[in-house]
Amino acid sequence: DAGITQSPRHKVTETGTPVTLRCHQTENHRYMYWYRQDPGHGLRLIHYSYGVKDTDKGEVSDGYSVSRSKTEDFLLTLESATSSQTSVYFCAISEIKGRREKLFFGSGTQLSVL
Amino acid sequence: RKEVEQDPGPFNVPEGATVAFNCTYSNSASQSFFWYRQDCRKEPKLLMSVYSSGNEDGRFTAQLNRASQYISLLIRDSKLSDSATYLCVVKDTGNQFYFGTGTSLTVIP
Repeated sequence: DAGITQSPRHKVTETGTPVTLRCHQTENHRYMYWYRQDPGHGLRLIHYSYGVKDTDKGEVSDGYSVSRSKTEDFLLTLESATSSQTSVYFCAISEIKGRREKLFFGSGTQLSVL
Repeated sequence: RKEVEQDPGPFNVPEGATVAFNCTYSNSASQSFFWYRQDCRKEPKLLMSVYSSGNEDGRFTAQLNRASQYISLLIRDSKLSDSATYLCVVKDTGNQFYFGTGTSLTVIP
């Protein structure tokens, strides 16, 4: 357990509504990531953060924004949800020990956009 | 071209069998390599890192071939509890990790 909590675990929303997913970590890791997982695509990076207020885009960032105002929280926002954003969303932290770096994941959020 | 490619399977093997998965990656400068395990509707969990010299953890052996840009995972004496999807993960020289689509394994009694 890497101390990662995602909320909510499940969310059903309507097209056009804003949605915010939260990722909370308790171990002060610098790097945090948001991925989405869809059948046939594996996990794809949406955005990542390398520190407070420091974020960058990933492979599938269109339609998403992120914020990191505190080390422990990384928020993913869908400004106006679309059906194509129905997916499972995973937050991850990068644990760095010496030259070794590993990813650990939260439990995921199942988002359905109707 | 995908950064990481895996045979999706499915692999259906009897208990006690040995099964091997392969994965190829496209960026020759990739630095770190991993195998993750993902159970249905759960988050991926680190199974093992893959080191240049190869490494073993109990029934699991991982190998890296940098010249051919592939990674392998060998599972010996398969157990029912090994049934899962196995994800190949590669980290580049930056801050990004790339995932294969996963290989599905079902171990049959």
